[in-house]
Amino acid sequence: AQSVTQLDSQVPVFEEAPVELRCNYSSSVSVYLFWYVQYPNQGLQLLLKYLSGSTLVKGINGFEAEFNKSQTSFHLRKPSVHISDTAEYFCAVSDYNTDKLIFGTGTRLQVFP
Amino acid sequence: DTGVSQDPRHKITKRGQNVTFRCDPISEHNRLYWYRQTLGQGPEFLTYFQNEAQLEKSRLLSDRFSAERPKGSFSTLEIQRTEQGDSAMYLCASSLEKGPNTEAFFGQGTRLTVV
Repeated sequence: AQSVTQLDSQVPVFEEAPVELRCNYSSSVSVYLFWYVQYPNQGLQLLLKYLSGSTLVKGINGFEAEFNKSQTSFHLRKPSVHISDTAEYFCAVSDYNTDKLIFGTGTRLQVFP
Repeated sequence: DTGVSQDPRHKITKRGQNVTFRCDPISEHNRLYWYRQTLGQGPEFLTYFQNEAQLEKSRLLSDRFSAERPKGSFSTLEIQRTEQGDSAMYLCASSLEKGPNTEAFFGQGTRLTVV
């Protein structure tokens, strides 16, 4: 069975500051890893994904994430956040065969001016 | 193509009533997924179709829940005898089976409130 742990339920940060949202996963097999963003009353939008290859993955809106197999982590980072980055962020793993996603509980990023 | 479409966006119903939601996936996508998201939680997998075949159902999908995808295109999710615990956002996603680069695209969800 697979599971995802997002260690921080809320992360407050000032505009233009760097941010890191933490994600750890558990799986007995290899997985694909994803970060999604959800704005209020909206569906989920894919930020980035790790399938294989380079462990540093770049996504949309200036976000990047690093896959660390030994620590089973996939932390999301942005060097300088904007007010518009205020949203809920979800880390997820997927099953190789079905693309079924297992999500973490989410981290609310709140950017203050 | 405007992406994954869900209807209605909001539904308020009385406890005990039946409700049905519709999802129209991206037209060429053969995989369709339903998820449920309660307040403060991440989405939880409910069920998954490949074309018209329902290939997997979560234990979260009680016998009051039924999903169909009769022609391999749109899908419906019906909840019978709704309970207050069914209040949640129901999300639909679709993807094209084409190997490891496949990506699931999500609709905006249907928010159900059972009163």
